[in-house]
Amino acid sequence: EVQLLDSGGGLVQPGGSLKLSCSASGFTFDAFAMSWVRQAPGKGLEWVSGVSGRGDSTYYVDSVRGRFTISRDNSKSMVYLQMNSLRAEDTAVYYCAKDESVVGATPFDSWGQGTLVTVSS
Amino acid sequence: DIQMTQSPSAMSASVGDRVTITCRASQGISTFLAWFQQKPGKVPKRLIYAASSLQSGVPSRFSGSGSGTEFTLTISSLQPEDFATYYCLQYNSYPYTFGQGTKLEIK
Repeated sequence: EVQLLDSGGGLVQPGGSLKLSCSASGFTFDAFAMSWVRQAPGKGLEWVSGVSGRGDSTYYVDSVRGRFTISRDNSKSMVYLQMNSLRAEDTAVYYCAKDESVVGATPFDSWGQGTLVTVSS
Repeated sequence: DIQMTQSPSAMSASVGDRVTITCRASQGISTFLAWFQQKPGKVPKRLIYAASSLQSGVPSRFSGSGSGTEFTLTISSLQPEDFATYYCLQYNSYPYTFGQGTKLEIK
């Protein structure tokens, strides 16, 4: 059974930093890209960032490029999102999600439970 | 970036009704489209992938169609548990983009 466990959310002041983690199990981790998706309170879903299975390619939505960094440790089946220079508009529930694979699996059939990031003074 | 325009943004319907939700892509995405259902306070659940493939375990009253730039999600006969918010997602290329969502409410 695929399991994704998000953690690391919390309250942070504007301009601060936070690092989210996602622990994965139940599938061949390095065969799959991984993504982070967020949802601001009362709003829709927004894809934030993705990383390839080997970790050598990373992708970002424009609003976080240069502030957020996605990474993965395949030896630990972990994916991370380092968030710097946080803004009030980054306040959201952040989900990690299993993305597509090189053998044709399609994205987001499995999601973490979400971790809440609140940016406020 | 590819923009996804979803309509309607909200709708009300009755149990037993047939419902259709539409997503339009700003450029062709072949069939790299998925549909998700989300209930309040819950994690999104994938219903459809590759535009028309039904996710395992999802009731057959849900179906998807389309290719290129026009896509639809159809619920053939609404059940009480189907009242939720629905999102489309294009995964043709990064950055992936979601539609704005359709909130389906009970009439």
